[in-house]
Amino acid sequence: EDQVTQSPEALRLQEGESSSLNCSYTVSGLRGLFWYRQDPGKGPEFLFTLYSAGEEKEKERLKATLTKKESFLHITAPKPEDSATYLCVITGNQFYFGTGTSLTVIP
Amino acid sequence: GAVVSQHPSWVICKSGTSVKIECRSLDFQATTMFWYRQFPKQSLMLMATSNEGSKATYEQGVEKDKFLINHASLTLSTLTVTSAHPEDSSFYICSARRSTSGRYNEQFFGPGTRLTVL
Repeated sequence: EDQVTQSPEALRLQEGESSSLNCSYTVSGLRGLFWYRQDPGKGPEFLFTLYSAGEEKEKERLKATLTKKESFLHITAPKPEDSATYLCVITGNQFYFGTGTSLTVIP
Repeated sequence: GAVVSQHPSWVICKSGTSVKIECRSLDFQATTMFWYRQFPKQSLMLMATSNEGSKATYEQGVEKDKFLINHASLTLSTLTVTSAHPEDSSFYICSARRSTSGRYNEQFFGPGTRLTVL
């Protein structure tokens, strides 16, 4: 069965405390993996697209990596404004959404 | 680039009335647009896929006569919630995918519309 699992469900970090969010998948025929950030009451904001294992993308304090089974979103020295829910979306034969990781960065 | 807008951002209506939500891709053409519904602290639930010039494809369990979707142009899709009831209250989000061929392109999401039915 095709599915996407994100972990942890919730993560609390001190400001400056680096960590990683995980998105593991069992989707056959992966065509793309997307990371989004969603703030409360807003639509998801596109962050990264990854297409093949070994690919990496970076943007400010965020770095996304992809293997054949999972993707990581690394957050380096996070700030309170990084607090949000991070969504992983995969395209195979259709779109598959993870349930998200709610990140809280404490000053 | 790749900006998607929604209008209105929030709406309150009486039970039994119909509400139309617009989704526009502002700086790109989108042959495919998607409509989602999101409940508090839950992930997005795909309601339907809308292709320009053709009928929308609805997900299982979504009433096509209740949630009317029209994708009249490459930059505009509308969702009409007909005879709305309190249980239709939710956060509705649209997304658009660029019309370039090749790989499955990322979706760009609108800011969402908060619907409250009294």
